[in-house]
Amino acid sequence: NAGVIQTPRHKVTGKGQEATLWCEPISGHSAVFWYRQTIVQGLEFLTYFRNQAPIDDSGMPKERFSAQMPNQSHSTLKIQSTQPQDSAVYLCASSHPGQGPGQLYFGEGSKLTVL
Amino acid sequence: QQKVQQSPESLSVPEGGMASLNCTSSDRNFQYFWWYRQHSGEGPKALMSIFSDGDKKEGRFTAHLNKASLHVSLHIRDSQPSDSALYFCAASELASSSFSKLVFGQGTSLSVVP
Repeated sequence: NAGVIQTPRHKVTGKGQEATLWCEPISGHSAVFWYRQTIVQGLEFLTYFRNQAPIDDSGMPKERFSAQMPNQSHSTLKIQSTQPQDSAVYLCASSHPGQGPGQLYFGEGSKLTVL
Repeated sequence: QQKVQQSPESLSVPEGGMASLNCTSSDRNFQYFWWYRQHSGEGPKALMSIFSDGDKKEGRFTAHLNKASLHVSLHIRDSQPSDSALYFCAASELASSSFSKLVFGQGTSLSVVP
C-alpha cells in the first residue's frame, strides 16, 4: 500500500511568491494533519481535518497560510507572499480512527526554500 | 515554553549498547504519549505508544511512563547502527477522541557507533 504522498518534494520560491503544497493521505484514513519542521522550532502543528472538515487550525499563522481539503483524497497547504522564515519542511500525516489517538502516518515532506 | 521537553539533545552509544532517552511534559492535560523515529530524508514514523503507568516493551524497545511526574522514557537495548536517527517524544491531550493532534518535543539525535 502506498503511504502518504506529498508533492513537490522540493520547492524553491522567491520572496513574495506563492507556494502550494499537496498531500494525498492513505486511502481510508479520515484525518489529515499538517506540520512544519525546522531546526530551530522542531515539529510544529499547523492544522488538521477530520472527514474533510477543518477541526483545529490553532497552529496556522493567521496571515498568508491557508489549508483546504476539497475531497477525501487530497489536501493542500497554500502560502501566499512567501517569506524567508517560511523555509521549512512541511509534513503531512494521516490517521485512521481504529489505530488509537496519536498514531500518525507521515509523508516524506515537502522542503520549501524561500530565497 | 515547550510543553514537551526531551533530553539529551544528542546521544552516542556503541553498537550493542543501551540507549536511554527522556521526555517530560509540563501539561497535565496530556494523557497519551508516543515515541516517533525519523531517519534522514524521511518523515517521522511511530515507534510505540504508552498510555498507562509503568513499562511497555516491544522487541528491543521499552517505554516507561510515570504519570505523576509526567515523565516518559525510551530505552533501546542492543542498539544497532540502523537505530541512528532523530527520536521524538510526542503527547496528546484528547482522551475520548480517536483523533488528536500531537505536540512534539525537540527531539534527541541518536548515533549508534559500530
